[in-house]
Order: sequence, then structure tokens, then C-alpha cells
Amino acid sequence: EPEVTQTPSHQVTQMGQEVILRCVPISNHLYFYWYRQILGQKVEFLVSFYNNEISEKSEIFDDQFSVERPDGSNFTLKIRSTKLEDSAMYFCASRQDSGNTIYFGEGSWLTVV
Amino acid sequence: SQQGEEDPQALSIQEGENATMNCSYKTSINNLQWYRQNSGRGLVHLILIRSNEREKHSGRLRVTLDTSKKSSSLLITASRAADTASYFCATEDHNAGNMLTFGGGTRLMVKP
Repeated sequence: EPEVTQTPSHQVTQMGQEVILRCVPISNHLYFYWYRQILGQKVEFLVSFYNNEISEKSEIFDDQFSVERPDGSNFTLKIRSTKLEDSAMYFCASRQDSGNTIYFGEGSWLTVV
Repeated sequence: SQQGEEDPQALSIQEGENATMNCSYKTSINNLQWYRQNSGRGLVHLILIRSNEREKHSGRLRVTLDTSKKSSSLLITASRAADTASYFCATEDHNAGNMLTFGGGTRLMVKP
């Protein structure tokens, strides 16, 4: 069964460093998402992406965050200057059509020290 | 309470028993999706129920949706130790674009 894949599975980074989290959505999907889950907390929406542009973003998704779909298959989340509070599990997700099931990847654990 | 709140927060049962988890939400929704998460792992999609549907089944899972009460329930019948996980409901809001809003989840422990 097709799945969303994410790399790396775990990354430890120094505060202030840039981080890029990578995702390969399911191949025929058109809508892409990033969510995050701080340890022990809810899954929170960060950003949605459709037709090569951001369609929605949350208050969490400030100027330190950006997303890109550089080559038609990868979907990346960049955090320019990481803070301690960015430590979380980051999930990529995709769906084929509006209103359909959203499929999530296994997540990338980011630890900022 | 916030959109997509699960009840109870934690549930412990014996293998073979049924587990019922409830979810309440506040807004008008397009659909509601249930996910499962094993500790430290990804979100596995279980069932999507649309706003015009009242009940859906998938194997040992049964989901109901009552839009008049803005609530949904997930029933796992004949539970197994392997069902131990956190279960989340997530709503797709009618007016909030193509995104899901998650509840806090129910932590289910099934004792062998």
C-alpha cells in the first residue's frame, strides 16, 4: 500500500541551526500538510499546500518556517533558526482530494538542544 | 472544551472486552476521521465518516456520528493487547479549509 515517507526519523540539532525535514507524499496526491506533536500534547496543524502554494497556515507557522515542493515528489519543511520549543515530532501528510482521507507519515523526531 | 475532544482521556480494559471512545466537537464539519498512534510512532488512519453518514464499520471497529450532538464514538469490539495505543479523532471543519483539527486523544490499554 502506498505510504507517506519521511526523513530523517530523528534529528538532534543545536539551537539556532537550520533544519530541513523531508517528505515524499503518496504519488497521486494533490494536498500536502505538515503537523507537529510536542511530546504528550495534541497533534497541531502547521501548514497545508496545494497547487504549489500554501493554502492555509496556523499561528505556529511563523516566519521561521517555510515549505517547498522542489521537484514534484519531495515536500520539505524548513525551520530557519531552531528554538528549544521547536522540539517535537513533525508529521507530513497527504491526500488525493479535498474531503478524502489524509494519510500521515511515521514522523520526524526533532530535538533541539 | 476544544474542537475534537476525546473522552475518556485514558481507558484500561481486559482483552476481549469492548472499548468505547467518544469525541465531541464544536463546529460544522465536512467529515471526522479517527486515527491510532502507537507510542512514538506515526498516525494510522482508521475510519473516515462524512457529515451525512451516521455509522461506519471496518473489521472490529464501529464509528458513529451524531451531527446534532456534535459527537462521534469509536467502538473496538473484542479488544486485543495489540490494540493498546492512543486514539485520536480529527475533524475537517466546514469553513476551515482542507485541514484536520485533532483532539487530545484517548490512551487505551488492553491488558492480556
